[in-house]
Amino acid sequence: DAGVTQSPTHLIKTRGQQVTLRCSPKSGHDTVSWYQQALGQGPQFIFQYYEEEERQRGNFPDRFSGHQFPNYSSELNVNALLLGDSALYLCASSVGTEAFFGQGTRLTVV
Amino acid sequence: RKEVEQDPGPFNVPEGATVAFNCTYSNSASQSFFWYRQDCRKEPKLLMSVYSSGNEDGRFTAQLNRASQYISLLIRDSKLSDSATYLCVVNGVVGNTPLVFGKGTRLSVIA
Repeated sequence: DAGVTQSPTHLIKTRGQQVTLRCSPKSGHDTVSWYQQALGQGPQFIFQYYEEEERQRGNFPDRFSGHQFPNYSSELNVNALLLGDSALYLCASSVGTEAFFGQGTRLTVV
Repeated sequence: RKEVEQDPGPFNVPEGATVAFNCTYSNSASQSFFWYRQDCRKEPKLLMSVYSSGNEDGRFTAQLNRASQYISLLIRDSKLSDSATYLCVVNGVVGNTPLVFGKGTRLSVIA
């Protein structure tokens, strides 16, 4: 079992650009959640996908959008990048209450 | 008031010491509680779930007090490998609701 995998691991983008991050959930997990973790902070919930639909959303602007595919993998898209979007983006897959995290994508916006 | 609040760090302790972390949560309807461990520049990993009856896993003991909305983690006989950030995490009323993380408490165990 490969666990939760995310790609890419690191990314550098320029302000105003757009970025797409990808996540493959743990085998058998149908729910994918995305979190943003700024330096020195705990992860903050962005949104959650289940059955290809956004089920819940945290306090993030519409610049943050996502998608879930029939195989349960997911993408996180961020438009019009700001310097403040620099963070570790974590994907978590779950069945029930226990969540497993991928290694994250470290995004740097310059 | 933040949803999950933790002791500010860092905690610097010698090997063999006992260290306790505390956490409070604001949503009285919360149902599930966890401690996650996060090593530097790595993803959070589940350390242990926290139950009302308290639970122990080797050197680690977790306690939950629902009346006070308080969670604790006790680490006995600290090892150098325990150095990490410990995140207090609360889940919502029903399954698959998002995890709410505290800011984390940094522990450094010193030889």
